[in-house]
Amino acid sequence: AQSVTQLDSQVPVFEEAPVELRCNYSSSVSVYLFWYVQYPNQGLQLLLKYLSGSTLVESINGFEAEFNKSQTSFHLRKPSVHISDTAEYFCAVAGGYQKVTFGTGTKLQVIP
Amino acid sequence: DADVTQTPRNRITKTGKRIMLECSQTKGHDRMYWYRQDPGLGLRLIYYSFDVKDINKGEISDGYSVSRQAQAKFSLSLESAIPNQTALYFCATSDLTGMGRNEQFFGPGTRLTVL
Repeated sequence: AQSVTQLDSQVPVFEEAPVELRCNYSSSVSVYLFWYVQYPNQGLQLLLKYLSGSTLVESINGFEAEFNKSQTSFHLRKPSVHISDTAEYFCAVAGGYQKVTFGTGTKLQVIP
Repeated sequence: DADVTQTPRNRITKTGKRIMLECSQTKGHDRMYWYRQDPGLGLRLIYYSFDVKDINKGEISDGYSVSRQAQAKFSLSLESAIPNQTALYFCATSDLTGMGRNEQFFGPGTRLTVL
């Protein structure tokens, strides 16, 4: 079985400040990890993913996440957020050929 | 054109009515999924299909049924809608091959309200 925990349901942060959205997972097999973003009134879209190789992965809009196997974490970070980053962020895990399990989401609110 | 489409985008219906939500994809993926999204609960899997002849229940399948009419089409039905089925429903697809393993591609969602 696999599971994902996103402890923070909402994270308010001022514009240009750094942010970290936390994600912890559990799985009995090797995992693939994902962060998805959902902008208001839209579907989910992939932000970044870890499949193998370097444990630090980056997105095109400045987010990064680091796979930490010992801590079973995949936290999402950005050094300076913008108003346009306001959205809900979902962490997800897939183990081997299993289906994907999503976390409950974290709403990032960027304050001007 | 969008790779994963859902119809309708919005639907209001009454308790007891039968409702069908449709999903089509042009990505050529074998795997298709139906999720529902509720505030604070994230996405929960209703049904999934790994190919046309393979249908599996997810974690919350009670009250729902599905049909995989073709590789590109996967429909979700509510046989007798009830108010607690009011939610945002998403269809998704994925491919098992290559470096995109289990990466899911989502449709725009269907907002269903059951009165």
